Amino acid sequence: DAEITQSPRHKITETGRQVTLACHQTWNHNNMFWYRQDLGHGLRLIHYSYGVQDTNKGEVSDGYSVSRSNTEDLPLTLESAASSQTSVYFCASSKASGSYNEQFFGPGTRLTVL
Amino acid sequence: KQEVTQIPAALSVPEGENLVLNCSFTDSAIYNLQWFRQDPGKGLTSLLLIQSSQREQTSGRLNASLDKSSGRSTLYIAASQPGDSATYLCAVRWASGTYKYIFGTGTRLKVLA
Repeated sequence: DAEITQSPRHKITETGRQVTLACHQTWNHNNMFWYRQDLGHGLRLIHYSYGVQDTNKGEVSDGYSVSRSNTEDLPLTLESAASSQTSVYFCASSKASGSYNEQFFGPGTRLTVL
Repeated sequence: KQEVTQIPAALSVPEGENLVLNCSFTDSAIYNLQWFRQDPGKGLTSLLLIQSSQREQTSGRLNASLDKSSGRSTLYIAASQPGDSATYLCAVRWASGTYKYIFGTGTRLKVLA
């Protein structure tokens, strides 16, 4: 069955360190998204990609970067982790064609920055 | 500004009750709207996606309706069960040229046995 996986599922890091969160999907979807979920804010879009070599900033992109070298993967990098980036991170994907392009989500990564 | 609001933030009902969860959005020119379920510590599971041209979608005990003119969608859950306890989120996609969704903050539902 097609799926989205995220790794690691839990991560504790220190302020200032670079951290990369992995997202891998086997749906063969062109669209991929990274969100963070915080109490009181719901899900907020960090970055998204509509295909290989395409990346775009979302509403809370400062301090984060992504790259898309293949269809399956969209890693999220925190350049210099800050305590404000403690959150739960979700990756999602959707197909690019047609109108019924629902989003499918991964299980999430809980990141703690000390 | 395009925003999605879900009220109430939390809801408790006895088992067996029919219930309605609300989602309201600014700007009625939506492309589609998606309802999700999230269990504690888990990812989001898609429940229903309703296109702007549709009035409702049904899946089992779930029915989602859409009224674009009033900027509202409702998720109706029939004969609620303790297993329905979760947070329910709605998300709206506004323009056909983008695949981005804006999410509401969710309604946390507890169904009491």
